[in-house]
Amino acid sequence: QVQLQESGPGLVKPSETLSLTCTVSGYSINDGYYWGWIRQPPGKGLEWIGNIYRSGSSYYNPSLKSRVTISVDTSKNQFSLGLTSVTAADTAVYYCARSYYGDYLASDYWGQGTLVTVSS
Amino acid sequence: QSALTQPRSVSGSPGQSVTISCTGTSSDVGGYDYVSWYQQHPGKAPKLIIYDVNRRPSGVPDRFSGSKSGNTASLTISGLQAEDEADYYCCSYAGSYTIFGGGTKLTVL
Repeated sequence: QVQLQESGPGLVKPSETLSLTCTVSGYSINDGYYWGWIRQPPGKGLEWIGNIYRSGSSYYNPSLKSRVTISVDTSKNQFSLGLTSVTAADTAVYYCARSYYGDYLASDYWGQGTLVTVSS
Repeated sequence: QSALTQPRSVSGSPGQSVTISCTGTSSDVGGYDYVSWYQQHPGKAPKLIIYDVNRRPSGVPDRFSGSKSGNTASLTISGLQAEDEADYYCCSYAGSYTIFGGGTKLTVL
């Protein structure tokens, strides 16, 4: 059974960098699919952040592209999200997920999500 | 990039059918056969129920079906059940990225 688990700080200060890691179990990232991040502000809708392939090829939401980096570590079966210069607007539940495609989100397995609050 | 347009809420009685619309433009929904639908129960992660307009992942009941006409995609749920009460989100490929709808709350009366 494929499982994804997000980890990282639940509180980040404004202007700092948000860093999250997704650990995949039950499936090897090296075997294919794309791996990505989606977020959901409290009480609001979903927003695609970006995806990455095992090779490191990445795809980002243009509205976040200047602040986002997604990386992959196949040796650890993990991928990570970095979001710089955060503000209160970046407060959200962050999900990692497996996707069929790179820049179109068709995600069959999701992590449980982790709430990240941006506050001083 | 504007979000896709979904009705804020829809409702139906058990056993009935409901349809949720998702309207975009020729640059997203209308331009590609890449529309997905997600079901999200409160406090839970979204669940993929339709992708590529009308394909169902393994394990999703055939009560859920998707279609598209022009710039509008639709999700139809037939034989409504109490457990179908949830938020539903559409998303579409938009040329080089994914855009979501604002979500629709389905109430089973």
